[in-house]
Amino acid sequence: DAMVIQNPRYQVTQFGKPVTLSCSQTLNHNVMYWYQQKSSQAPKLLFHYYDKDFNNEADTPDNFQSRRPNTSFCFLDIRSPGLGDAAMYLCATSREPPAVTDTQYFGPGTRLTVL
Amino acid sequence: GQQVMQIPQYQHVQEGEDFTTYCNSSTTLSNIQWYKQRPGGHPVFLIQLVKSGEVKKQKRLTFQFGEAKKNSSLHITATQTTDVGTYFCAGPGGFGNEKLTFGTGTRLTIIP
Repeated sequence: DAMVIQNPRYQVTQFGKPVTLSCSQTLNHNVMYWYQQKSSQAPKLLFHYYDKDFNNEADTPDNFQSRRPNTSFCFLDIRSPGLGDAAMYLCATSREPPAVTDTQYFGPGTRLTVL
Repeated sequence: GQQVMQIPQYQHVQEGEDFTTYCNSSTTLSNIQWYKQRPGGHPVFLIQLVKSGEVKKQKRLTFQFGEAKKNSSLHITATQTTDVGTYFCAGPGGFGNEKLTFGTGTRLTIIP
């Protein structure tokens, strides 16, 4: 049973053309995260939601935005993708923040290509 | 900011040999988590360690959390081809800090 679902799995966009990636979860977890992972690198946290509270990482470019309309869904909007934004985008969830509890559950990821 | 380093960055071993990856944090951790990411896949949670000096085993995998709660290790005995992947440690920034900082990862390849 899929727990964290990401759509699409592969996304191709043109330089500067806005793109939206989606994530949904069936776990009813409080926290949802968006990570960017480039080849041979560790996942890099972009931002996360703790319920409706949005937490942006200091070094996340303004080009990246996020929305969480309800518990189950979270979206990543890239307003003007550049070539450097080509990466795997991973959505993850956890019941509570990692300092308090346990695991993060990752979705399969969306691989973004920017032409 | 918090940094989590892992060594080695890459490890190639013959099938059947042992493998160890080491994780070091610049700050004390409330807990340490380990994830495995297969080539082309996504990180999958393996285990969490909470107590100082804690040791946990999962079949051929042994995880250890340092006494000072700033370092950890993962040891695999008698590697198999299914062990191929990148192993990440990850730790929260501290109590109340909701950010999980991933280590730099160790990529394991197995020579059959």
